[in-house]
Amino acid sequence: GAVVSQHPSWVICKSGTSVKIECRSLDFQATTMFWYRQFPKQSLMLMATSNEGSKATYEQGVEKDKFLINHASLTLSTLTVTSAHPEDSSFYICSATPGLAGVEQFFGPGTRLTVL
Amino acid sequence: QQQVKQSPQSLIVQKGGISIINCAYENTAFDYFPWYQQFPGKGPALLIAIRPDVSEKKEGRFTISFNKSAKQFSLHIMDSQPGDSATYFCAASMLRNDYKLSFGAGTTVTVRA
Repeated sequence: GAVVSQHPSWVICKSGTSVKIECRSLDFQATTMFWYRQFPKQSLMLMATSNEGSKATYEQGVEKDKFLINHASLTLSTLTVTSAHPEDSSFYICSATPGLAGVEQFFGPGTRLTVL
Repeated sequence: QQQVKQSPQSLIVQKGGISIINCAYENTAFDYFPWYQQFPGKGPALLIAIRPDVSEKKEGRFTISFNKSAKQFSLHIMDSQPGDSATYFCAASMLRNDYKLSFGAGTTVTVRA
């Protein structure tokens, strides 16, 4: 199956700092990438949808100025958590789909963010 | 508002038994129904998926049953093994729209040896 990677796998940062998480599709071109967050023992909550070369579409209640998403190429999307607070601590997961070339969403391994 | 309702929240099954997880949806525009398996600290992995023009799909020990009129679908795990112990999520999507997945709440399956 298709492979999606995330980097870093875990990160600890201080309140007020910014953290960037990378999501890469390793063996296919992703027309669309998605960013989710997941709290312990809960389901995945979609944060935003990004298409290469265009602005991300954020879900209701997600602050676009706090969670900056850049889909710079067909294989790379980044999520930057700006001015992080302890309540931003969560498991962030990206997924990618080749779009018309296939319907499946392939998920990355996730990034554990802890804000102190 | 959760568009896909999943039950049970958790289940325990003996090794060799059958695990059954149920999901229901309201939006008749959904046309793609995948199931994902997630281990602690890992991202979800696609297990099996079905389109509404098929009532059943089987891949190895995993079977999806789909009831379009009842707007329900279920996952059956046959001959459950300890390695199947994980959280399972059903989901639904509108492929002709935006591929966004609506996830169920998840079911934690524990297989006892």
